[in-house]
Order: sequence, then C-alpha cells, then structure tokens
Amino acid sequence: QVQLQESGPGLVEPSQTLSLTCTVSGGSISSGDFYWSWIRQSPGMALESIAYIYYSGITYYNPSLTRRVTISIDSSKNQFSLNLTSVTAADTAVYYCARVRAFGSRHFDNWGQGTLVTVSS
Amino acid sequence: DIQLTQSPSSLSAFVGDRVTITCQASQGISEYLIWYQQKPGKAPQVLIYGATNLEAGVPSRFSGRGSGTHFTLTISSLQPEDFATYFCQQSDHIPFTFGPGTKVDIK
Repeated sequence: QVQLQESGPGLVEPSQTLSLTCTVSGGSISSGDFYWSWIRQSPGMALESIAYIYYSGITYYNPSLTRRVTISIDSSKNQFSLNLTSVTAADTAVYYCARVRAFGSRHFDNWGQGTLVTVSS
Repeated sequence: DIQLTQSPSSLSAFVGDRVTITCQASQGISEYLIWYQQKPGKAPQVLIYGATNLEAGVPSRFSGRGSGTHFTLTISSLQPEDFATYFCQQSDHIPFTFGPGTKVDIK
C-alpha cells in the first residue's frame, strides 16, 4: 500500500519561500503509471491543484501560480518537493501531496494526510 | 481553466434518504469527472472516477452518472458515516480543477 507523507515548516513569514517535501513509501516514485502532485485547500475549503511532475521530470503548473512555483523530484530518495516563493497570507492552506494516475481517468488516487502551512510574521 | 459548479452547496438529510448532488462543468469534459468524499481533518478520498466507475472498496450505495457538462453523484440510502463534504473534480484539462463542495449533514 503506497503512502505519502508531507513534511516542512508549519509557519512561513510573508515574502519568504514555502518549501515542502513529500516522501513516498510502499512504491516507487519512478513508476511510469503516475504523476505526483501538490494540492492545497484554503481555510474556506476550496481545493486547488498547484503542480504535477512525472518521474522523467516533465512538469505542469497551475497558470495562476506558475511564476512562483517549482516542483521537483528526487527518485533516489523517493521524494518530490514544492517551492512557493513570495508567499502572502493568501497562501495559508493545508497542503497535500497526491498521486495522479497518468492514464485513463487521471484522478488523484492516493493522498498524504496534509500539512497546515500558515503565512504570518 | 474549466470551472465546476456544484449544487446544492449544502443539504440536510435523514439516515436512509436518497441524496443527489450535481456538478456542472463550464465546458465539455467527456467522462473525466471524479467524485471525492472528505471528512473533517482528513484528505479527500475517491468515490467515483471516470464519471461512473466505483472506486475499489467504496460501498455500492454510491453511484455516478453523466458526461459532457452535467454529472450527478447519488447516495441511494444515506448512512451515518456518509455525513461529509463531497467534491467533484475534472481531469480533462490541466490544471485539474475542483468544484466548491457540497456539505451533507444530519437532519
């Protein structure tokens, strides 16, 4: 059973960079059957997909965040990461990492438990 | 981006009731529509993918219908563990987008 676990600071100061890592266990992040992604959920409960990465390094970004976001993958550690620069209070949210089926229905079939990141000084 | 709207935004129902939630897409998405259930403090979990396919382990009282722009999620007989928030999500175009959610609570 594949499990995903987010890690990173729970508090980030405004204008700084939010950095999160997702560790995948119970399966290989190099599987060609999946993309790996970050999703966030604001206190108002809206879900927003942020970025996706394939094991080969192919990336897709949400156009609303593309200027501030970088997603990367480290197959040797079975991890992928998110960097979000120049954060503001609007970036306060629960951040989830999730696995996306690369073919067929392309749904988020496995999620981490989520980590709350608060942007505040 | 493809916009998804859901109705109702919330509903109250009794155990045993039949409940239907609607998701409307701003443009055609074929059958690339997924339904999730989310309980407080937990990540969303897949119920239905490809508009009509039941995820493994999900009770058969959940069903999905639709294609193009109009989709429904039906719970045939609401159980106590079904009180939660339900989201639809499209996977036809990146960025994959979510509906705003429908909260189902106890009447």
